[in-house]
Amino acid sequence: DAKTTQPPSMDCAEGRAANLPCNHSTISGNEYVYWYRQIHSQGPQYIIHGLKNNETNEMASLIITEDRKSSTLILPHATLRDTAVYYCIVRSWGYQKVTFGTGTKLQVIP
Amino acid sequence: ETGVTQSPTHLIKTRGQQVTLRCSSQSGHNTVSWYQQALGQGPQFIFQYYREEENGRGNFPPRFSGLQFPNYSSELNVNALELDDSALYLCASSLWDQGNQPQHFGDGTRLSIL
Repeated sequence: DAKTTQPPSMDCAEGRAANLPCNHSTISGNEYVYWYRQIHSQGPQYIIHGLKNNETNEMASLIITEDRKSSTLILPHATLRDTAVYYCIVRSWGYQKVTFGTGTKLQVIP
Repeated sequence: ETGVTQSPTHLIKTRGQQVTLRCSSQSGHNTVSWYQQALGQGPQFIFQYYREEENGRGNFPPRFSGLQFPNYSSELNVNALELDDSALYLCASSLWDQGNQPQHFGDGTRLSIL
């Protein structure tokens, strides 16, 4: 499975859109891009996933580039409760080769 | 819909002891994975269980073992505890898939080794 690269930290003003990038340049054709977030002292929370097309749900939007080598998670109107560590991973079958890495620590500022 | 639950929430053990951690899957899920998360790090995959059999393992020694039961709940057992085993242990459940089923995590068991 491919590995991912994320910036270690980002700030976002409350009410603004938070755009979190992820590079996965060695992604394979059958690998999905997943995003999770982890708020202090809780387990990771699933946000969204996609294969090729852009995806949107009630939490966020996922934009995947045409060559699939990178993606962006968009939180359209960040709130203080969105302050968390955000993980981007790629996977196909199973999780044994998945690397969560250290993620991006997003700080939403009032 | 009942989410993933783990017990206990906190545990303190000493070096050389053995520990068993428990996980109840989210209803409808048939696959369970266990992760170890050291302080300041992302979760590291330990192993996955499907149909009561280990279905994949990360870079963890054999003293880390597990079980999955017919109701899809699971246990993580660690023998001969070492100081470096101090971590948050996370359980995640999902449907068996080819990559398009998300995992849902419990809030973990915080294990401290003295």
